[in-house]
Amino acid sequence: NAGVTQTPKFQVLKTGQSMTLQCAQDMNHNSMYWYRQDPGMGLRLIYYSASEGTTDKGEVPNGYNVSRLNKREFSLRLESAAPSQTSVYFCASSKAVLGQVGGYTFGSGTRLTVV
Amino acid sequence: GNSVTQMEGPVTLSEEAFLTINCTYTATGYPSLFWYVQYPGEGLQLLLKATKADDKGSNKGFEATYRKETTSFHLEKGSVQVSDSAVYFCALMNYGGSQGNLIFGKGTKLSVKP
Repeated sequence: NAGVTQTPKFQVLKTGQSMTLQCAQDMNHNSMYWYRQDPGMGLRLIYYSASEGTTDKGEVPNGYNVSRLNKREFSLRLESAAPSQTSVYFCASSKAVLGQVGGYTFGSGTRLTVV
Repeated sequence: GNSVTQMEGPVTLSEEAFLTINCTYTATGYPSLFWYVQYPGEGLQLLLKATKADDKGSNKGFEATYRKETTSFHLEKGSVQVSDSAVYFCALMNYGGSQGNLIFGKGTKLSVKP
């Protein structure tokens, strides 16, 4: 049971570089999410995808783009990295069927440092 | 809007001590409430949940009761172990349309000493 798999686990970027964080889930979940975790801030939602083919902004979308490639995969792209994007990024998925309350399943995170 | 407030940490306890981590929420309607745990270097894991008032969620010796009158969902454990050292997040989910998004508190770091 792989659950939610994120790659890479660690990354160092220079300011202005671009990169894509990959996320895949094998639980046939409808919804997928990208969060960032910063000290003292908890987790903040960047983007989410309620179903294949749809994406929506969360609380802190600026500087990011996402692609829901298919039901399994949801990627997060930084077009021009900035030091303020230094953070730990978590991907999550859920069934998200109306009327059913379930938790999220999280990946193990990507620790990104922008210098 | 919806929000979650947790007691600030870090919390340091001796093994076998009683644990309480306070969590209160602000939400319209009837949210579902969750506690997640994050062990060092790992992602978040669902610890327990409650979906309606007076429900008690429990798992691994942890408990939390959904109190609508006080808008609270405090986490408790009678006797903590060193292995419980982690960061604990309270969260709520309020459904809008067909989509419910989790809203997290800032987390409370727990350290248990032998």
